[in-house]
Amino acid sequence: EDQVTQSPEALRLQEGESSSLNCSYTVSGLRGLFWYRQDPGKGPEFLFTLYSAGEEKEKERLKATLTKKESFLHITAPKPEDSATYLCAVQGTGGFKTIFGAGTRLFVKA
Amino acid sequence: DTAVSQTPKYLVTQMGNDKSIKCEQNLGHDTMYWYKQDSKKFLKIMFSYNNKELIINETVPNRFSPKSPDKAHLNLHINSLELGDSAVYFCASSHWDRRENYGYTFGSGTRLTVV
Repeated sequence: EDQVTQSPEALRLQEGESSSLNCSYTVSGLRGLFWYRQDPGKGPEFLFTLYSAGEEKEKERLKATLTKKESFLHITAPKPEDSATYLCAVQGTGGFKTIFGAGTRLFVKA
Repeated sequence: DTAVSQTPKYLVTQMGNDKSIKCEQNLGHDTMYWYKQDSKKFLKIMFSYNNKELIINETVPNRFSPKSPDKAHLNLHINSLELGDSAVYFCASSHWDRRENYGYTFGSGTRLTVV
């Protein structure tokens, strides 16, 4: 069964302190790995899709990377406005279903 | 213009009642979804429709029934509500393509509280 595990559950950073979030996954044939950002009281907002090992994508202070078993979301010099829950999700080649991880809650203090 | 809109945003109701949540998207997407986010913030797929055809039907109680009158709308009807149904329900939409995997656009959620 497809599965996504994210770590850590919560991460507290000082402004400017770079770090990484981890997403480990098992899927029977990867059709896509996704990263989303979710702010309190809102729906998840799409950030990236990664398709194959070695692929990288960037958006402002965020960079997502992918290996055959895990993905990392690197946050460079974070700002307080980067505080949110970051969700990882996978879709296998078996069907339309996208499975989400439990998320990492990121707090960035000024 | 809101891309994926859900109504109502909040719903408080008594056990045993029947309620509906409506969802509409103006993105021209062909696939729509219902997800449930529980108190631990875990998002779980419930249903999905592609061009009005049901393509995902997870193991949810048959008190939950989705309806898609057209590609832009996906409603969720819940019969005989129970305390455990309390959660945030998210509607989402996407464009299905065999080569590209586009992310979902989510609505802002409906917080259902059963008392």
